[in-house]
Amino acid sequence: KNQVEQSPQSLIILEGKNCTLQCNYTVSPFSNLRWYKQDTGRGPVSLTIMTFSENTKSNGRYTATLDADTKQSSLHITASQLSDSASYICVVSALGGTSYGKLTFGQGTILTVHP
Amino acid sequence: DTEVTQTPKHLVMGMTNKKSLKCEQHMGHRAMYWYKQKAKKPPELMFVYSYEKLSINESVPSRFSPECPNSSLLNLHLHALQPEDSALYLCASSQTLAGDYEQYFGPGTRLTVT
Repeated sequence: KNQVEQSPQSLIILEGKNCTLQCNYTVSPFSNLRWYKQDTGRGPVSLTIMTFSENTKSNGRYTATLDADTKQSSLHITASQLSDSASYICVVSALGGTSYGKLTFGQGTILTVHP
Repeated sequence: DTEVTQTPKHLVMGMTNKKSLKCEQHMGHRAMYWYKQKAKKPPELMFVYSYEKLSINESVPSRFSPECPNSSLLNLHLHALQPEDSALYLCASSQTLAGDYEQYFGPGTRLTVT
């Protein structure tokens, strides 16, 4: 069964600090891994999308890494801002089979940035 | 333009009402999705349309009825809902159904069933 697990479930940091969120997956056959940011009551917004051959990708203060061998990904947030407070969801897409067209979502990490 | 729009933003309905949610995109995407999201949970896939044909139905109760009138529009018709159906309903679209393409999400409709 395809699964995506994220840690920690929640995280509180002070403004200006860095943090790293983790994602482990067992989705096969692997197509790509995405990180989404979701503000409360809003739709998810894509931060990065990485395929098998990519091991790092940046989007401003967000840097995602992917280790396809160990099936792990991380999202590093640099110099956090109050607006970074949100849920961060790791999402994995399968190449085909019964999961064709479907995404496997992690439970999300709720990040709270305090002033 | 990478925007998916959804209307209404909020909807309150009784269990005997009939209402519809609307989703629109003008990115030329041929796959469109409905998700249901409960508080502090990830989105759950409900339906997928590919080239205006229903491709995936995740065993959703018949009180939810999707419709794709054309390649830009996706509707979700609601009838005789239950209070446990209260949730954020998200629409998304992607270039095609293939997993390599980015899914763009709309802002959602917050549904409350009384």
